[in-house]
Amino acid sequence: DTEVTQTPKHLVMGMTNKKSLKCEQHMGHRAMYWYKQKAKKPPELMFVYSYEKLSINESVPSRFSPECPNSSLLNLHLHALQPEDSALYLCASSPPEGGRRFFGQGTRLTVV
Amino acid sequence: GQNIDQPTEMTATEGAIVQINCTYQTSGFNGLFWYQQHAGEAPTFLSYNVLDGLEEKGRFSSFLSRSKGYSYLLLKELQMKDSASYLCATNTNAGKSTFGDGTTLTVKP
Repeated sequence: DTEVTQTPKHLVMGMTNKKSLKCEQHMGHRAMYWYKQKAKKPPELMFVYSYEKLSINESVPSRFSPECPNSSLLNLHLHALQPEDSALYLCASSPPEGGRRFFGQGTRLTVV
Repeated sequence: GQNIDQPTEMTATEGAIVQINCTYQTSGFNGLFWYQQHAGEAPTFLSYNVLDGLEEKGRFSSFLSRSKGYSYLLLKELQMKDSASYLCATNTNAGKSTFGDGTTLTVKP
């Protein structure tokens, strides 16, 4: 299994909603990442988890809250988002931290 | 800090060869990735260069010169399906990877 699976594929939420994005990998990778990608822009790193501990937070607003329940799962909890947070949210994993990234297909998020 | 430059757009003809350049200034540089991304899809890994030189994988090759802060991706025998965005990304000793803005390649018949 060489896949990173993200759910949902599409999400529309209001600014007062609370929702969660989920990511799962079964490749035994010990590093997992959240990226945000706007149209015609490269992915921007948000968070890195290494061995289930948060190792990098790229000064992301607190309305985004990551969680790594175990070595296979990564969540991104969303609360009180703004319309400018609408983007493609990509999860990725790598064997050790810093290795080649395996990307999921992403969640297309629209905040209304 | 990180500074990565690559051309915004390139156009080439089916069957031809195209070279996409990437220059970088990266503290703690530890290697360079190339990814391909089709519109609306996730990036897919193409290559990873750590040492100077050319790495060949089928129709795609990638070159790195650490002393010059320079890499290129070479695509041979272009096919229509190669139309995509090509992202170079530097890797650091701290495990951080920063993407360039990407080069949108259009392959024409």
